[in-house]
Amino acid sequence: LAKTTQPISMDSYEGQEVNITCSHNNIATNDYITWYQQFPSQGPRFIIQGYKTKVTNEVASLFIPADRKSSTLSLPRVSLSDTAVYYCLVGLSNNAGNMLTFGGGTRLMVKP
Amino acid sequence: GAGVSQTPSNKVTEKGKYVELRCDPISGHTALYWYRQSLGQGPEFLIYFQGTGAADDSGLPNDRFFAVRPEGSVSTLKIQRTERGDSAVYLCASSKVGQGRTNEQFFGPGTRLTVL
Repeated sequence: LAKTTQPISMDSYEGQEVNITCSHNNIATNDYITWYQQFPSQGPRFIIQGYKTKVTNEVASLFIPADRKSSTLSLPRVSLSDTAVYYCLVGLSNNAGNMLTFGGGTRLMVKP
Repeated sequence: GAGVSQTPSNKVTEKGKYVELRCDPISGHTALYWYRQSLGQGPEFLIYFQGTGAADDSGLPNDRFFAVRPEGSVSTLKIQRTERGDSAVYLCASSKVGQGRTNEQFFGPGTRLTVL
């Protein structure tokens, strides 16, 4: 069964850099890799997206190796307000075709 | 500007009943997605519309689930003969035409469905 895999949880302290990796062995050829942030009782919110190599925006960086079987979200200098659940979203190929698939989410706790 | 809105925000129903969940996407967004999310899990893809047509409905779990988007804007997710296992938060998202189905999606707050 094609799936994405992320660490269930991570702890960090304010000001540190946090890296969250998502594994997606069966990623579909044409799909981008997207990361979302979700707070309790809200819908996910877009963070960053990329196809390959490295992408950087004002809040994060995304590292994607050449084989695209994983991706790493990098949050520089986290603050308490970054405490949330982080999800990767990819298209995964399987025998039935390919389907948009979210990872199980990584619960990030930022401590003072 | 207005984001994606979903109504109702909460819906409690009894096993076996029929429910409809509504999604109003961001104006001008041609793509619309439905997901459901159980507690502690990532959103699970249900269906994706491009305009009025379902471009991918492979995530609908069975024939009790159906979704429409007749005018390419508002969408309704319909669940027949609800079961307790259908209890979840149903999320809707919309996006502009761009990098296909993995374009940046804007999510609504969700509808929490509880089947008693």
